[in-house]
Amino acid sequence: GAVVSQHPSWVICKSGTSVKIECRSLDFQATTMFWYRQFPKQSLMLMATSNEGSKATYEQGVEKDKFLINHASLTLSTLTVTSAHPEDSSFYICSARKTGMDTGELFFGEGSRLTVL
Amino acid sequence: GQNIDQPTEMTATEGAIVQINCTYQTSGFNGLFWYQQHAGEAPTFLSYNVLDGLEEKGRFSSFLSRSKGYSYLLLKELQMKDSASYLCAALDSNYQLIWGAGTKLIIKP
Repeated sequence: GAVVSQHPSWVICKSGTSVKIECRSLDFQATTMFWYRQFPKQSLMLMATSNEGSKATYEQGVEKDKFLINHASLTLSTLTVTSAHPEDSSFYICSARKTGMDTGELFFGEGSRLTVL
Repeated sequence: GQNIDQPTEMTATEGAIVQINCTYQTSGFNGLFWYQQHAGEAPTFLSYNVLDGLEEKGRFSSFLSRSKGYSYLLLKELQMKDSASYLCAALDSNYQLIWGAGTKLIIKP
């Protein structure tokens, strides 16, 4: 199988603090990982594409200085929400594509629910 | 521009059959995916079509017509656990997934 693990699953933080979310591919290498945000009753919104060893590509309207993405290895990408505010409260999901696979099948993490007080 | 259209919500009865439609307009096309997402959980892969026709996988089937830019997901013998959102996504020429907004399927006893 192809397992993607996200950590933490739930996080509650105070406004102004930074939160780091990890996305790991446990049994495969992932050159490319994707970060999504999903607000209640809405579909996934792609935030950025994370490529191992290079800078992430951000979607229009997503602040790269606020949502820091690091993809330092073939099995780990991190998303850091800097100076979080209540409007950043959301469900953050990562997905990974197996290295060498051009098809779009993605393997999703369990998601991380962020609540900013 | 690139666009995926699917109904916002559908309701069906337990044991019945339901068809969820999806139309797409993309820059190039490399396949159509369907994902299932239960509330509060991450999406899970259901199917992938790149050639015209019907692909059957147990109670779920997916159909694609490339000439019409159209796909549907067919769910048979509906069970209460099938209540979820169903996401249609098309793979464009750059192998990027273009996502629909999802169809919320409500199953009634």
